[in-house]
Amino acid sequence: GAVVSQHPSWVICKSGTSVKIECRSLDFQATTMFWYRQFPKQSLMLMATSNEGSKATYEQGVEKDKFLINHASLTLSTLTVTSAHPEDSSFYICSARDWGGLSYEQYFGPGTRLTVT
Amino acid sequence: GIQVEQSPPDLILQEGANSTLRCNFSDSVNNLQWFHQNPWGQLINLFYIPSGTKQNGRLSATTVATERYSLLYISSSQTTDSGVYFCAVGSGGTASKLTFGTGTRLQVTL
Repeated sequence: GAVVSQHPSWVICKSGTSVKIECRSLDFQATTMFWYRQFPKQSLMLMATSNEGSKATYEQGVEKDKFLINHASLTLSTLTVTSAHPEDSSFYICSARDWGGLSYEQYFGPGTRLTVT
Repeated sequence: GIQVEQSPPDLILQEGANSTLRCNFSDSVNNLQWFHQNPWGQLINLFYIPSGTKQNGRLSATTVATERYSLLYISSSQTTDSGVYFCAVGSGGTASKLTFGTGTRLQVTL
């Protein structure tokens, strides 16, 4: 149980284009999902908290107009990187907390590797 | 915000050896998880352990919340244990939000 999927697993796009990444909780419902970013050989940094049916909450320094988050259902959150530039190249990972769970435990997707050329 | 430090940053072991990884945090927490990040980047949940002790096979973990640290023990290490180990914590009303530690990069050799 507690499986989170992401799609695509990797993507290459040209500078100036937009890319959408999907995060799905496969066997549980998640009112809250989280988006992280990881640069090579670094730790994970929380970008934003995605709340089902409401606006996302962004961490300080994260451009909300660049990283658009939509949490349209209890099992799906999407991250759209708009007008991507090479510095947006990174590993993006989502996580989800089981709505029915008794703990704060989060489950992570396999990540999406974005390369902007 | 809360600070999370892990030690050691790098660790090389021979197969069969035991190791202890440490996670120190700067404030009280009510959420603490240990993860293993495999070479493909997937984070694998090892323990959800805001306090107390848990064991799962060759792995065990202890969190002493009052002293603001957690330990991950790996016994009889195997090459498949290689990767990066992260602890992540959450506190207070935003306990769902995880702050990740700096990580320990483990390499297990034959």
